[in-house]
Amino acid sequence: RKEVEQDPGPFNVPEGATVAFNCTYSNSASQSFFWYRQDCRKEPKLLMSVYSSGNEDGRFTAQLNRASQYISLLIRDSKLSDSATYLCVVRPGGSEKLVFGKGTKLTVNP
Amino acid sequence: DGGITQSPKYLFRKEGQNVTLSCEQNLNHDAMYWYRQDPGQGLRLIYYSQIVNDFQKGDIAEGYSVSREKKESFPLTVTSAQKNPTAFYLCASSSGTGGENEQFFGPGTRLTVL
Repeated sequence: RKEVEQDPGPFNVPEGATVAFNCTYSNSASQSFFWYRQDCRKEPKLLMSVYSSGNEDGRFTAQLNRASQYISLLIRDSKLSDSATYLCVVRPGGSEKLVFGKGTKLTVNP
Repeated sequence: DGGITQSPKYLFRKEGQNVTLSCEQNLNHDAMYWYRQDPGQGLRLIYYSQIVNDFQKGDIAEGYSVSREKKESFPLTVTSAQKNPTAFYLCASSSGTGGENEQFFGPGTRLTVL
């Protein structure tokens, strides 16, 4: 099993749609979780950290299920500007390093 | 204006040449990282440094070298021993290496070997 695995995508959705991305991780001792966004040919940028209780930032909601070793990102009311690749990122337990998933590409269409 | 800068943005190299990529940060971060990204692939860690004058190999260190003489700077040298150096290289920094310390990225350098 890969350390961090994401939906392969790509996702093509109309403006205003709700879209959900899933991610699984293999190290049950992992402590920190993040979603990053990467635009085409640009650097990744932090979208949000993922907390055990779940967290929301405007149209974005992140959830963590430790029992299933599963992270999700929900985007409501999609905008054209949400088009990007979304990276699931995990810090395995006891590690100084982050492990990045390959990313899921989202295209929001007018 | 705090941030991470990388130079050059694009770099072309002939086979057999060493080349050094620059990374500078003014965020006063202790930790710095170098990643490589290939098309359709996730980021892979090359080297990281938690403090000045100390660094550790990441998952794909072969053919690369780094130095950390100053807190603000973490240059990466791609040597001729690196078999497939063409890639997008990203430098990142964080205030620490554990817990909720997220990493902030520079704009990247695209290296092409001719």
